[in-house]
Amino acid sequence: KAGVTQTPRYLIKTRGQQVTLSCSPISGHRSVSWYQQTPGQGLQFLFEYFSETQRNKGNFPGRFSGRQFSNSRSEMNVSTLELGDSALYLCASSLQTTSSGANVLTFGAGSRLTVL
Amino acid sequence: AQSVTQPDIHITVSEGASLELRCNYSYGATPYLFWYVQSPGQGLQLLLKYFSGDTLVQGIKGFEAEFKRSQSSFNLRKPSVHWSDAAEYFCALLFGNEKLTFGTGTRLTIIP
Repeated sequence: KAGVTQTPRYLIKTRGQQVTLSCSPISGHRSVSWYQQTPGQGLQFLFEYFSETQRNKGNFPGRFSGRQFSNSRSEMNVSTLELGDSALYLCASSLQTTSSGANVLTFGAGSRLTVL
Repeated sequence: AQSVTQPDIHITVSEGASLELRCNYSYGATPYLFWYVQSPGQGLQLLLKYFSGDTLVQGIKGFEAEFKRSQSSFNLRKPSVHWSDAAEYFCALLFGNEKLTFGTGTRLTIIP
């Protein structure tokens, strides 16, 4: 069973540009979450999508957006890039399990973005 | 608001020695608790989880963790570490359908 696939793995952009990152979840998983990881702030939640709807959103500016397609694949976009957006962006998928609502997240390897 | 604290930023252990990584949480009820491991340049891999029931949970790679409600703790242990255990370890908390909240991580260094 294939894991969570993130593309691209590495990319370099300059300030002011925009970037789109892609995430393919594990087959059958309908929930996709995105996290930003930096040395200074650690792991911070960006947003979560379930059945093409944004269900939760973290405390990030509107430059950060995402979407989910009918096949559960997800993309996130960052516009007008800033130096501080340099980070590892992690995608995780989960299978909505029992009625307790507990999600077990399976993470991809991440997309490392460098903004120059 | 829920929070997770990992008081140790960096721990160094000799190969073959025992390991305990600390994790404390703050939440009004019993949350779901997780330990993840991250090797350099990689994503996060789930080591183990606690939802309910037996407070001592076994995970992959020989790790275990014990949930102690009275101490709001969920410490990770391994009786004998291997050089391949060198990585960063994250404790995380989830309640209901809320987002997974991570601690700041503990970097583990193994010395021969």
